[in-house]
This record gives sequence, structure tokens and C-alpha cells, in this order.
Amino acid sequence: GQSLEQPSEVTAVEGAIVQINCTYQTSGFYGLSWYQQHDGGAPTFLSYNALDGLEETGRFSSFLSRSDSYGYLLLQELQMKDSASYFCALGGYNKLIFGAGTRLAVHP
Amino acid sequence: EADIYQTPRYLVIGTGKKITLECSQTMGHDKMYWYQQDPGMELHLIHYSYGVNSTEKGDLSSESTVSRIRTEHFPLTLESARPSHTSQYLCASSEGGSNGELFFGEGSRLTVL
Repeated sequence: GQSLEQPSEVTAVEGAIVQINCTYQTSGFYGLSWYQQHDGGAPTFLSYNALDGLEETGRFSSFLSRSDSYGYLLLQELQMKDSASYFCALGGYNKLIFGAGTRLAVHP
Repeated sequence: EADIYQTPRYLVIGTGKKITLECSQTMGHDKMYWYQQDPGMELHLIHYSYGVNSTEKGDLSSESTVSRIRTEHFPLTLESARPSHTSQYLCASSEGGSNGELFFGEGSRLTVL
């Protein structure tokens, strides 16, 4: 089967940089995705890594290392609106399996 | 902006009732999914479809059933609701291929009394 592990909570201050790690176990996958979900809202897509390395999208970057079964999401210049839950997800051809999510709290 | 819609957004029903949660998308996506999520918890895949007349069970056992008669429509049905079915149900769709981007609806929050 597949499994993903993320920290349950992370706290940071406005303007700082935070990294949310994701380790996984799988027999095979296409890529690692990241989603953001605000309380009461739907998950929204942030980033996708099919290959090893760093993908940058504005203030958000995501990294994947297949040899280490590890990825992370990097959020820079944190804003209060970044307070949300962040999920990593393993992508197969027909489905996406999500981790338990990391709740990020950004403080002034 | 994603065009995927779920109805109802909120539903409170009694035990034993039959319910259908509707999900429609106007993007022409072949792949559609149903996830179950309790507040603050992870998303569990309960059903998915990769095209018309194809449905598969996900990784979380569910007493619900789904159908895919049209590309744009992927309803989920509970024949006899129980309190253990109380949860949020999220519908999603994606293009063919595997770029990891799912478009989610706003969810249907079900409460079974």
C-alpha cells in the first residue's frame, strides 16, 4: 500500500519561511502534489513534482527526492492568510492518496 | 476557476434514509473522485472513475455506491444512512494523465441523526 507522513502542526510568524516535510512509502507513483485547505473550504492545488528537484510557484516551492522518499513544501514571506492545512498527496495514474495534513498557524 | 459543483452543501437527515449527493463538472474531465473527510482530518478516497461506465472503490471501505453514466455527472448514493456516515464528502475531477491536479467541489456536509 501507500502511506504518507507529515507533521500535524507547524507554527510560524508573519514574514518568516516555513518548511513542511512529507515522507512516504509506496511501490510506485507518478508524482507528489501539495494542496492547501482553509477551514471549511475545499482543497486547492498548489504544486506538483514529477521529477526530483525544486518547483517554484511564487511564494511557494516544492521539492521531491525519490531516492529519499521525501518531499517538502516551502512557504516564504508568510502571510496571515497562509494559515491553513497543507496536504501532500501521492499520485498514481487514476487516483491521488493524501497524507493526514499539516495545520499551519501564522502569527503576527 | 474550477467548474465543479456539489449539492446539497449541507444535509441533516434521519437514520435509514436514502440520500444522493450530486456532483457535476463542466470541464470535460474524464476522471472523477469522491473523498470523505472528517473535520481537521485527512481525505480518504472512497470512489473514483476514469470515464463513463467505469467506477472503482477507493482505499477506504464505504457503504456508498456511485455511478458514471455521463462524463459530467458522478453522484454518490447511500441506501440507508447511519450516524457513522456523518462526514464531509468532497467531489473532485482531473484531466487525463497524472499531473496531480485535482479540482474540488465545495463539499457536501452530511449529518445523520
